[in-house]
Amino acid sequence: DGGITQSPKYLFRKEGQNVTLSCEQNLNHDAMYWYRQDPGQGLRLIYYSQIVNDFQKGDIAEGYSVSREKKESFPLTVTSAQKNPTAFYLCASSIRPSGFWEQYFGPGTRLTVT
Amino acid sequence: SQKIEQNSEALNIQEGKTATLTCNYTNYSPAYLQWYRQDPGRGPVFLLLIRENEKEKRKERLKVTFDTTLKQSLFHITASQPADSATYLCALPRSNDYKLSFGAGTTVTVRA
Repeated sequence: DGGITQSPKYLFRKEGQNVTLSCEQNLNHDAMYWYRQDPGQGLRLIYYSQIVNDFQKGDIAEGYSVSREKKESFPLTVTSAQKNPTAFYLCASSIRPSGFWEQYFGPGTRLTVT
Repeated sequence: SQKIEQNSEALNIQEGKTATLTCNYTNYSPAYLQWYRQDPGRGPVFLLLIRENEKEKRKERLKVTFDTTLKQSLFHITASQPADSATYLCALPRSNDYKLSFGAGTTVTVRA
């Protein structure tokens, strides 16, 4: 079955700790994305990658970092510099980078930082 | 600045009726627009893409219209069912980088 997996589904961390969210896809898609979703707001783009070993900042990249060493994997690290990290994080991929192509989303990771 | 506005109020409708959702946008010139469905605690799922030259598009009980003059898309769920209860998001490409921007979504609840 092709798709995107994110793990874990729920994550709890103490303030001041870095945490890495996993995202893997077996769709052979070039582009991958990380979004953050807060109640009552649209998805906000954190980082995106159009190709392996390349990624760009989205609208709210401060306090986050990513890597794209393999086509299938795009992990997101939430650092202690992120002021308000508690949120629902969604990873997505599309066959090509343009917004014309539908995005396939993973099931999400709900991060709670106390 | 670019803005996407969807119905701010949740929509509660009776089974069998038609639900109509709006997506209004400002300072976009989209060549296409996408609609997604999101169930609670899950990732969005793509439903439909409509191009600017396609005034209307249908998929099963879903119908989408796209009026670039009014800067608006309407999303209709006909003969609604309780299984249609979800949040529906519209998404448009940004002019500068063609990445998708998403609206906040409209939550639909269909009563049996």
